Amino acid sequence: QKEVEQDPGPLSVPEGAIVSLNCTYSNSAFQYFMWYRQYSRKGPELLMYTYSSGNKEDGRFTAQVDKSSKYISLFIRDSQPSDSATYLCAMSAVPGNTPLVFGKGTRLSVIA
Amino acid sequence: IAGITQAPTSQILAAGRRMTLRCTQDMRHNAMYWYRQDLGLGLRLIHYSNTAGTTGKGEVPDGYSVSRANTDDFPLTLASAVPSQTSVYFCASSPQGGGPYEQYFGPGTRLTVT
Repeated sequence: QKEVEQDPGPLSVPEGAIVSLNCTYSNSAFQYFMWYRQYSRKGPELLMYTYSSGNKEDGRFTAQVDKSSKYISLFIRDSQPSDSATYLCAMSAVPGNTPLVFGKGTRLSVIA
Repeated sequence: IAGITQAPTSQILAAGRRMTLRCTQDMRHNAMYWYRQDLGLGLRLIHYSNTAGTTGKGEVPDGYSVSRANTDDFPLTLASAVPSQTSVYFCASSPQGGGPYEQYFGPGTRLTVT
């Protein structure tokens, strides 16, 4: 089992839908959780960052972390065609110079 | 312009040839990384460097080498390219290695080995 599992999709939704993207992980030492967005033929860019458990909201985006279940989610409300991209989760343990561990990414298409 | 630059943007390379992918950052970040991204396999870490003068192996280091002579540059060398090294290569940097630090990615190099 890989440390981080993410359904690759593709996921296709109509404009305005609520999107739920998820990752599970096996390493209980992970404390920092990130979501990156990658547009086609571009490098990934940080979208959301959370520490430990709980929720974080930024506009239409909400990141949730459930450490007891080793499960993280990214919700997109009122999805737009401009949200069409690949979303990658990433996580790391407490500071120790260990690089981030990435999920494989979920490709999302929002259809107008 | 602050950020990470990669060169070349794309390259077609004959198998057996040597190739160096260049990566430069101007953010004075301590840590730098090289990833390859393949359809269905996601981002896979090749090599990383937590500070100038040190390097470490990632998930898929075979066939690749790196050096970190200074803070800004982190070249990736394919000593003798093989078709399985056809991929999109991303360089990234972060203020420190590991922990809570965001990684900033370059635009990528598309490499085709024939």
